[in-house]
Amino acid sequence: DIQMTQSPSTLSASVEDRVTITCRANESITNWLAWYQQRPGKAPKLLISKASSLESGVPSRFSGSGSGTEFTLTINSLQPDDFATYYCQQYRKYATFGQGTRVEVK
Amino acid sequence: QLQLQESGPGLVKPSETLSLTCTVSGGSISSSDYYWGWVRQPPGNDLEWIGSIYYTGSTFYNPSLKSRLNISVDTSRNQFSLRLSSVTAADTAVYYCARNVVDYGAGTFVPWGRGTLVTVSS
Repeated sequence: DIQMTQSPSTLSASVEDRVTITCRANESITNWLAWYQQRPGKAPKLLISKASSLESGVPSRFSGSGSGTEFTLTINSLQPDDFATYYCQQYRKYATFGQGTRVEVK
Repeated sequence: QLQLQESGPGLVKPSETLSLTCTVSGGSISSSDYYWGWVRQPPGNDLEWIGSIYYTGSTFYNPSLKSRLNISVDTSRNQFSLRLSSVTAADTAVYYCARNVVDYGAGTFVPWGRGTLVTVSS
């Protein structure tokens, strides 16, 4: 099984901060990596696919990078709507998700 | 605008079968471009992909659930359904349906339904 590990589990930040979330796979997934945002009580929303392809309608302050086993999601100039939980998901083999990173107000 | 809506019982007894249906509106489930998938999220826990289906009925399942799982499609009703047998408390979760863009592996999920909580309890 491909296992995904995110860090940190919780991140405290302020509006306009730049935040970075890391996701590591236990084997290479090339670039088959997606990022989702989930607000409390809501369904996840796809932000990025293929490690760095921004979905239509997603603000450009979100960006993804990485390949192989290490990936990052960066949010430039954090906005109030961005306080949420973020999940990575590999789809190199089937699909597995990371355990999530909660971005909370500092 | 494509929308998905899950429906089904919110309470299932242990050892029984969990059954949910996802109704797709604003688009055809018979599109050749997409699969249709199920993902669940136990309270406070991680997301878990359950399985996916193509409009032709072709399926692929999470190996950890495969022995208890059946996903079917009804193109005439623009619906797909999930049946999970022999449930235990560990199957308590919010169950989401989603359109599944399968370019590799099990692909990505966009958009998602609002989710429905299923509790397994006697």
